[in-house]
Amino acid sequence: AQTVTQSQPEMSVQEAETVTLSCTYDTSESDYYLFWYKQPPSRQMILVIRQEAYKQQNATENRFSVNFQKAAKSFSLKISDSQLGDAAMYFCAYRSAVGGTSYGKLTFGQGTILTVHP
Amino acid sequence: NAGVTQTPKFQVLKTGQSMTLQCAQDMNHNSMYWYRQDPGMGLRLIYYSASEGTTDKGEVPNGYNVSRLNKREFSLRLESAAPSQTSVYFCASSEIGGSPLHFGNGTRLTVT
Repeated sequence: AQTVTQSQPEMSVQEAETVTLSCTYDTSESDYYLFWYKQPPSRQMILVIRQEAYKQQNATENRFSVNFQKAAKSFSLKISDSQLGDAAMYFCAYRSAVGGTSYGKLTFGQGTILTVHP
Repeated sequence: NAGVTQTPKFQVLKTGQSMTLQCAQDMNHNSMYWYRQDPGMGLRLIYYSASEGTTDKGEVPNGYNVSRLNKREFSLRLESAAPSQTSVYFCASSEIGGSPLHFGNGTRLTVT
């Protein structure tokens, strides 16, 4: 079974600065998808960014970008020009693209709480 | 556009009581999911339905049952609630493949 590990329970950043959240995963599959979700205090789960494993190019969405290292099984999230509204819990997640018992299921990491200081 | 709707938002149960969490999606997705969220453990999959008429156990299915009533609705039932089931429960839906999951707003359940 796949596992996803977020080794930073908490991170903090100054407003307008850049922060990187770490995520590693363990899989024997070659085809899969990776996601970052944001969960603000409202409890809503919001998709931040998505990466396809077969694409070498790192995904970007405005101030959010990823550093996807397939060989190292690493998928970090970089937030540039941090804003107060970025404060939230961030979850890394893995989804298999291969048929089998794991197909279609999303496996989450433990989460990282991000605090943004004004 | 409602997306994924879960009810109720909050619930308090006594040990041994039963209840059903309701979930409906209006995006015509085939797959639906129930997750629970506990501090320090992320979201863990309870049950999964790849399509109407099929269900599959996830990582933590004990103490729960599910029903995929039709393509839109996927309910989660606790037959005899236990304090260990105190958690926040999320329903989600998606298409298969690389599509992201769309989540409901969660249900905070407390079992005393």
